[in-house]
Amino acid sequence: AQSVTQLGSHVSVSEGALVLLRCNYSSSVPPYLFWYVQYPNQGLQLLLKYTSAATLVKGINGFEAEFKKSETSFHLTKPSAHMSDAAEYFCAVYWGGNFGNEKLTFGTGTRLTIIP
Amino acid sequence: GAGVSQTPSNKVTEKGKYVELRCDPISGHTALYWYRQSLGQGPEFLIYFQGTGAADDSGLPNDRFFAVRPEGSVSTLKIQRTERGDSAVYLCASSLQGGLTYNEQFFGPGTRLTVL
Repeated sequence: AQSVTQLGSHVSVSEGALVLLRCNYSSSVPPYLFWYVQYPNQGLQLLLKYTSAATLVKGINGFEAEFKKSETSFHLTKPSAHMSDAAEYFCAVYWGGNFGNEKLTFGTGTRLTIIP
Repeated sequence: GAGVSQTPSNKVTEKGKYVELRCDPISGHTALYWYRQSLGQGPEFLIYFQGTGAADDSGLPNDRFFAVRPEGSVSTLKIQRTERGDSAVYLCASSLQGGLTYNEQFFGPGTRLTVL
């Protein structure tokens, strides 16, 4: 069955430290992969996406993610955490391309806390 | 330059009542999506519209849920005989066209539905 898993529902890092949020997918066919951020009382905002071009994808706010087919992973990283990065992060996958299958499947989310 | 808007932002109702949730997509976006986000979970797909027609309603949990988009713009999600388990944040998203490989989904802030 096709699925997406985010390891760690809560992650805490110190300000200035590396941020690493994990995402793995389960599928025989590599999907398209997305990371979204959700701030309190706001809509989901796209951070970055992988659509089978470069495996290292750079997004907004200094985030990047690397698609690793051998590990079926798409982990999100940022070299130096900032207080404003505190939010909920969702990994999502898209297996579409056929009409009628236009939807994102989301992981359960990781809440990122930044320690001053 | 408005984004996706949803009304109301909060809705409290009693078990068994009927509710309508409204979504105003970005002007000119032909694709519209509804998702449901339960507490501690990622968004789950409900239905996808391309223009006026529901191209994929496979995520609607049962026949108490129904959505329309009569003029290809505003959409209404309708829930009959609400149950406490329907309590969640209902998210709407729109994209310029269908096909998420090249078209970004823009999310609204959601409607928080509480069924007492």
